[in-house]
Amino acid sequence: SQTIHQWPATLVQPVGSPLSLECTVEGTSNPNLYWYRQAAGRGLQLLFYSVGIGQISSEVPQNLSASRPQDRQFILSSKKLLLSDSGFYLCAWSAGTANTGELFFGEGSRLTVL
Amino acid sequence: DAKTTQPNSMESNEEEPVHLPCNHSTISGTDYIHWYRQLPSQGPEYVIHGLTSNVNNRMASLAIAEDRKSSTLILHRATLRDAAVYYCILRDDYKLSFGAGTTVTVRA
Repeated sequence: SQTIHQWPATLVQPVGSPLSLECTVEGTSNPNLYWYRQAAGRGLQLLFYSVGIGQISSEVPQNLSASRPQDRQFILSSKKLLLSDSGFYLCAWSAGTANTGELFFGEGSRLTVL
Repeated sequence: DAKTTQPNSMESNEEEPVHLPCNHSTISGTDYIHWYRQLPSQGPEYVIHGLTSNVNNRMASLAIAEDRKSSTLILHRATLRDAAVYYCILRDDYKLSFGAGTTVTVRA
């Protein structure tokens, strides 16, 4: 069966520090991968999605970046965090062969920038 | 992206059905209607999706209007565990964009 792992689960970072969140998927190949962010009390905002290794689409201009170094690995990064980067970050995957299939979400990473 | 409109909140009693409406008047012919729900501090969970015909699964039913400009998610017997934010989303490509959703409260 397919599983998605996301870490770290919680982190507190000072403004200006770097960020790296990692997500891996097991049990499938060539998944579509996604990063979402949810600010406190708000809906989900799509940040990045990827349909293949090295292919990244950015939805919102910001100081975040994403990379996909391997088929089932998706990384969210920042060189210098802002206070507004605080939120709940969610990684998700869907089957690569069906762009209308369901999304499966990880457990999320809660980031607090102080 | 085609947009959806949902009520901000709905309340239900335990063991009673819940009908969650969603309007999507600008839907295109190839947009699938997806529903997800999100419990506090968790990632969204897939509920159901459909294109034109009504759909049923173990979690819920999806009723799609004939003109596809609206749909209704039906929870047949609400339980306390169904209290969540429910999102109605249209999908035609690789990405899903979530709106504010409907917050469902279930009273014991």
